[in-house]
Amino acid sequence: GNSVTQMEGPVTLSEEAFLTINCTYTATGYPSLFWYVQYPGEGLQLLLKATKADDKGSNKGFEATYRKETTSFHLEKGSVQVSDSAVYFCALSDRAGNMLTFGGGTRLMVKP
Amino acid sequence: EAGVAQSPRYKIIEKRQSVAFWCNPISGHATLYWYQQILGQGPKLLIQFQNNGVVDDSQLPKDRFSAERLKGVDSTLKIQPAKLEDSAVYLCASSLGGRGVYNEQFFGPGTRLTVL
Repeated sequence: GNSVTQMEGPVTLSEEAFLTINCTYTATGYPSLFWYVQYPGEGLQLLLKATKADDKGSNKGFEATYRKETTSFHLEKGSVQVSDSAVYFCALSDRAGNMLTFGGGTRLMVKP
Repeated sequence: EAGVAQSPRYKIIEKRQSVAFWCNPISGHATLYWYQQILGQGPKLLIQFQNNGVVDDSQLPKDRFSAERLKGVDSTLKIQPAKLEDSAVYLCASSLGGRGVYNEQFFGPGTRLTVL
């Protein structure tokens, strides 16, 4: 079956540091890949997505590239802010069913 | 545009009691999902509806969990009887629907269930 593995947290960074959160997946066929974010006290929000190999999703300074050869979708940001503190979830969607399979989540804490 | 609504936001019950959660999806969204998110883990799909029909309930513990979506709009998820391991956040999500094309899922705020 489908599965998503992401690095365990928490990840603690200082403001303006570079961020990488690793995500790898196992799936049959050609899934779509997503990063969701959950800010404290709020619901899950879609951060970015990529629907085919070599696509780059980007939003709010975050980027992730769909790498089929390494089955990865790592999240990056060049300069994090305190307001980026949240839990980040990598997920994939089976095209046929549209259901989401999530990784375990990575908590990011950014200190001033 | 109103988002996905869920109630209650919090619920505390004792084991072996029953509980129900309610979800109102975004207007016009044909597909509705219920996820279970145990503390420290990612959400896990319990059941997916397309209009008022079940698309996938393979991970729903049917001996104690049930869900319905009458008239293809609102949905309720019930647990009877509850166990300690059911303590989790129950998330509802909705999307426009349509197979073969990914439609973004919009999530509600969730219901946090604590079973004592």
